[in-house]
Amino acid sequence: QVQLQESGPGLVKPSQTLSLTCTVSGGSISSGFYYWTWIRQPAGKGLEWIGRIYTSGSTNCNPSLKSRVTISVDTSKNQFSLNLTSVTAADTAVYYCARDNEYHFDYWGQGTVVTVSS
Amino acid sequence: QSALTQPRSVSGSPGQSVTISCTGTSRDVGGFKYVSWYQQHPGKAPKLIIYDVSKRPSGVPDRFSGSKSGNSASLTISGLQAEDEADYYCCSYAGSYTEVFGGGTKLTVL
Repeated sequence: QVQLQESGPGLVKPSQTLSLTCTVSGGSISSGFYYWTWIRQPAGKGLEWIGRIYTSGSTNCNPSLKSRVTISVDTSKNQFSLNLTSVTAADTAVYYCARDNEYHFDYWGQGTVVTVSS
Repeated sequence: QSALTQPRSVSGSPGQSVTISCTGTSRDVGGFKYVSWYQQHPGKAPKLIIYDVSKRPSGVPDRFSGSKSGNSASLTISGLQAEDEADYYCCSYAGSYTEVFGGGTKLTVL
C-alpha cells in the first residue's frame, strides 16, 4: 500500500520561499509510470493543481504558478519536493502531495498546513 | 486555465439520488476522457471515487457513478447515505500536461 507524507515548515514569511517534501513509502517512487503531484487547498476553498514531476525529472506546472514553482525528485530518498518562491498570504493553504496515475490522483498524503505570515 | 464549474451545494434525503454537474470547455472536459471525482470529508484528504469519466476504483460502492456529455461531466450518487455528506470535486486533464479542478460541491444529506 503506497503512502505519502508531506513535511516542511508550517510558517513562512512573506516574500520568502515555501519548501515542502513528500516522502513515499510502500513502494519505489521510480516504479511504474506515475507522476508525483502537488495540490493545495486554501481554508474553506477548493483544490488547486500546482504541478507534477516524473522520476526522469520532467515537470509540468499550473500556468498561473509556473514562474514561482520548482518541483524536484530524489529517487534515492523516495522523495519529491516543492519550492514556491515569493510567497504571499494568498499562498496560505493545506498542501497535499499525491500520486498521479494517468491523470487521476489515487493516493494522497494527509496534507500539511502552511501559513504565510510575518 | 479556468476552474471547472460545479454547483456550490446540492442536497438529498437518505435513499434518494443526487447528481453533481461539472462544466468545462472543449479544451478540458469535452476534449479528453480524463475526468475524475473526489470525495472530501472535513479535515481529511480527498479520496478518489471516479476516474476516466466512469470507472470506479476498487472499494468504491457502485452507488457512485460518473458520465460525460459534451463539455459537462456528472457524478450521480444513488441510495444516499448519511456518510455521503461531504465535499465533491471534479478534475479534468486540460491539455499540455496540466490538470484543473472544479470549485467543489457541498453535499448535504437531509
